Amino acid sequence: KQEVTQIPAALSVPEGENLVLNCSFTDSAIYNLQWFRQDPGKGLTSLLLIQSSQREQTSGRLNASLDKSSGRSTLYIAASQPGDSATYLCAVPNRDDKIIFGKGTRLHILP
Amino acid sequence: SAVISQKPSRDICQRGTSLTIQCQVDSQVTMMFWYRQQPGQSLTLIATANQGSEATYESGFVIDKFPISRPNLTFSTLTVSNMSPEDSSIYLCSVAGTGYGMDIQYFGAGTRLSVL
Repeated sequence: KQEVTQIPAALSVPEGENLVLNCSFTDSAIYNLQWFRQDPGKGLTSLLLIQSSQREQTSGRLNASLDKSSGRSTLYIAASQPGDSATYLCAVPNRDDKIIFGKGTRLHILP
Repeated sequence: SAVISQKPSRDICQRGTSLTIQCQVDSQVTMMFWYRQQPGQSLTLIATANQGSEATYESGFVIDKFPISRPNLTFSTLTVSNMSPEDSSIYLCSVAGTGYGMDIQYFGAGTRLSVL
């Protein structure tokens, strides 16, 4: 059974710092991994999708890496801004093609 | 990309009543998904809705409680029936295009439901 864990559950950092969010999954037989952003009371916005054949994806200040063999992914945010404050979720498909989400990391960027 | 319109954005309902949530997509999609996010929790898949067939429900969710319609390739509804305070959650619909496992999954803005 696929399980997704995100560490830390919450994080507060001063504006301008670089930071890393972690995601681990128990079943490495995945074909992609996706990072989402969720603002309070809102739906999800897809940030990055990494295919299983890729090791990383970049979009602006965001960089996501994937290490299938160790069951880990990281989301790197460079030069953080107050607007980055949100909950970040990672998600992977299980063997039945259902998407399994982590509980997310609540990020707060201090102005 | 896909643009998803979800209505209502929020509602406050009385115990025992039902609420129907609508999800409209700007393009034809094969699979639509309904999720629930309880307070402080991650998303949980309720069911997968395919056009022309019965929805497939996940463990712990039943059709009598969460009936789903999928009349065409751009629209779906989820009804939360006989509501109780435990149904207070954010409900989200999501779509994926062809090649489900390889596509980016897009989400509606969600419906925040509070049951008194």
